[in-house]
Amino acid sequence: NAGVTQTPKFQVLKTGQSMTLQCAQDMNHEYMSWYRQDPGMGLRLIHYSVGAGITDQGEVPNGYNVSRSTTEDFPLRLLSAAPSQTSVYFCASSYGRQGNQPQHFGDGTRLSIL
Amino acid sequence: GQQVMQIPQYQHVQEGEDFTTYCNSSTTLSNIQWYKQRPGGHPVFLIQLVKSGEVKKQKRLTFQFGEAKKNSSLHITATQTTDVGTYFCAGQDRGSTLGRLYFGRGTQLTVWP
Repeated sequence: NAGVTQTPKFQVLKTGQSMTLQCAQDMNHEYMSWYRQDPGMGLRLIHYSVGAGITDQGEVPNGYNVSRSTTEDFPLRLLSAAPSQTSVYFCASSYGRQGNQPQHFGDGTRLSIL
Repeated sequence: GQQVMQIPQYQHVQEGEDFTTYCNSSTTLSNIQWYKQRPGGHPVFLIQLVKSGEVKKQKRLTFQFGEAKKNSSLHITATQTTDVGTYFCAGQDRGSTLGRLYFGRGTQLTVWP
């Protein structure tokens, strides 16, 4: 009964390093998304996907890339980390392709960029 | 673009007092969802409202969706220490076919025993 699994849980990077945050779900959900959470800013949508091979930008996509080669996985890539990307990152998934169903969140990845 | 505004940002209450958080959108929403996030945890889905004027209850929690589908509220009666956390609303623009779900900034609730 895994649900949405995010790895790693914690990560510290140096400015300019690259990294991939992993997200996997075992519920056969079409819709998956990435949010970042900063104090006082709520959850801001980075990228989302409505199915394998289909992705689109959210509110704050700059500095992040995504791909969706399978239904289960939706990795988030930071090509050149910047201190402004220090945040908590949440992956979520839901039934259907519209994002209008209850979102199931992973436990988050706490990322610090030095 | 769509904005979902949520107030207040913080609320401190004594146990037993009531609590309300409000969510407002600049555009008409197709639906609104509410989530709770405990300190150090991840958001957990509470409820979804779809119909204009809809009211739903979960024990001490009452959720409302405005007639114009541009605002919503969450009311907790007689708060308990277990209600501590941040409450988020999330809405989707009725005209959107892109699947974007926008979250408000949340209301952080502190309950004093």
